[in-house]
Amino acid sequence: QKEVEQDPGPLSVPEGAIVSLNCTYSNSAFQYFMWYRQYSRKGPELLMYTYSSGNKEDGRFTAQVDKSSKYISLFIRDSQPSDSATYLCAMKSGGGADGLTFGKGTHLIIQP
Amino acid sequence: DTEVTQTPKHLVMGMTNKKSLKCEQHMGHRAMYWYKQKAKKPPELMFVYSYEKLSINESVPSRFSPECPNSSLLNLHLHALQPEDSALYLCASSQDSGPNTEAFFGQGTRLTVV
Repeated sequence: QKEVEQDPGPLSVPEGAIVSLNCTYSNSAFQYFMWYRQYSRKGPELLMYTYSSGNKEDGRFTAQVDKSSKYISLFIRDSQPSDSATYLCAMKSGGGADGLTFGKGTHLIIQP
Repeated sequence: DTEVTQTPKHLVMGMTNKKSLKCEQHMGHRAMYWYKQKAKKPPELMFVYSYEKLSINESVPSRFSPECPNSSLLNLHLHALQPEDSALYLCASSQDSGPNTEAFFGQGTRLTVV
């Protein structure tokens, strides 16, 4: 079982819909959680960063963390065609120097 | 400014060539990273530099040789690569290599080995 599970999709929704993207993880050491957006052939762009259970909102984006269930979500409100991209969840443990552990990424398509 | 700059954007090299990838950041970050990303896969960690010292090498073959000349620059020297090494190579930086810091990525170098 991989440490981070993420449905690769594709996930196709109509413009204006609320999008829900999710990851589950098995390693209790993960304490810090990020969501990145990656357009084709570009580098990942940091969207949200959080480290506590609960919700964090930034514009149309809301990140949700449930550490007891080892489950994180990203919600996108009023989705736009420009939101079409691959969304990667990433996690980091709470101790020592290490890099990020990524989910596979979900390919999101917003239909105009 | 959360910019990490990578050069070149694209690189084609033969299996006997030697080339280098470059990465630069001016955010005062003290941790820098190299990741490798194959098509339709997530980035995979290769190396971590913390305060200009190599702190993590994820069992990367010796044909990849990282270098951190100063706190703003990170290089990846390539020698005798194989076609399967073709990928998007991503550089990232964070304030330090501790857990509670966001990582910012560059746009990557798309490497093709022929």
